[in-house]
Amino acid sequence: DAGITQSPRYKITETGRQVTLMCHQTWSHSYMFWYRQDLGHGLRLIYYSAAADITDKGEVPDGYVVSRSKTENFPLTLESATRSQTSVYFCASSLTQREPYNEQFFGPGTRLTVL
Amino acid sequence: AQSVTQLDSHVSVSEGTPVLLRCNYSSSYSPSLFWYVQHPNKGLQLLLKYTSAATLVKGINGFEAEFKKSETSFHLTKPSAHMSDAAEYFCVVTANTPLVFGKGTRLSVIA
Repeated sequence: DAGITQSPRYKITETGRQVTLMCHQTWSHSYMFWYRQDLGHGLRLIYYSAAADITDKGEVPDGYVVSRSKTENFPLTLESATRSQTSVYFCASSLTQREPYNEQFFGPGTRLTVL
Repeated sequence: AQSVTQLDSHVSVSEGTPVLLRCNYSSSYSPSLFWYVQHPNKGLQLLLKYTSAATLVKGINGFEAEFKKSETSFHLTKPSAHMSDAAEYFCVVTANTPLVFGKGTRLSVIA
C-alpha cells in the first residue's frame, strides 16, 4: 500500500537551475495538488489537476509548471529556481472535490533549498 | 470564496489538561471543514472532518470538533493532552473547491 510518494525528499540546487519534483499516487484519485509550506503562511496551493491533461492554477503559481499525462503522476517543475522558492513542497490527492470523498491525502514532502 | 482564521498561532498546555484550538471560517456555500495534524518533519494527517452530517465530529486520538454555524466556528478539543499531541494543527475549509488552509496552530505539551 504505497499511497502517495514524493521524490526526492531533499534537494539542494542553485539559482537559475531547473528542478523537477515528482509525485506518484497509487489510488487512482482524480485530483492531485501541489502546495508549498512556509513559516507564517501555512500551506498555499500552487497548482492542481482534476484529471489527466487538466490542470489549473492555485494561489501561488508563478515560476512553476505542472503536467499530468498519467493519472498517477503529477510532476512540479521550477523552470529557473529562485531563492524565494526555498520551501517544503507537499503533494496531495483526493478522489473528488465533493463530499464525502473530498479529503486530501498528503505525501511526505520535499524539502527544497535554492542557494 | 472561503477563508479560515486560526485564532492562536501557539497554544501551550500541561499534559493531562484539556486542549482547545480555535478556528473560525467564512464560506459562501455550505462548507466541508477539516482538521489536519502535522508532526515535526512529517506530512499532514487527517484528524477529522465535518461534511454536513452530525455537528459534533469525532476524530482520531481522542480529538473532536463541533461545527457551529451561528458562530462560524469549528474548534478542535481534546479532554486530556498527551505528549504525543505536540504538533502543528491546521483548520481547513472547502466548498467543492481546492482546500483553503489556516496558518496553523502549534500545540506544545508540557510534562
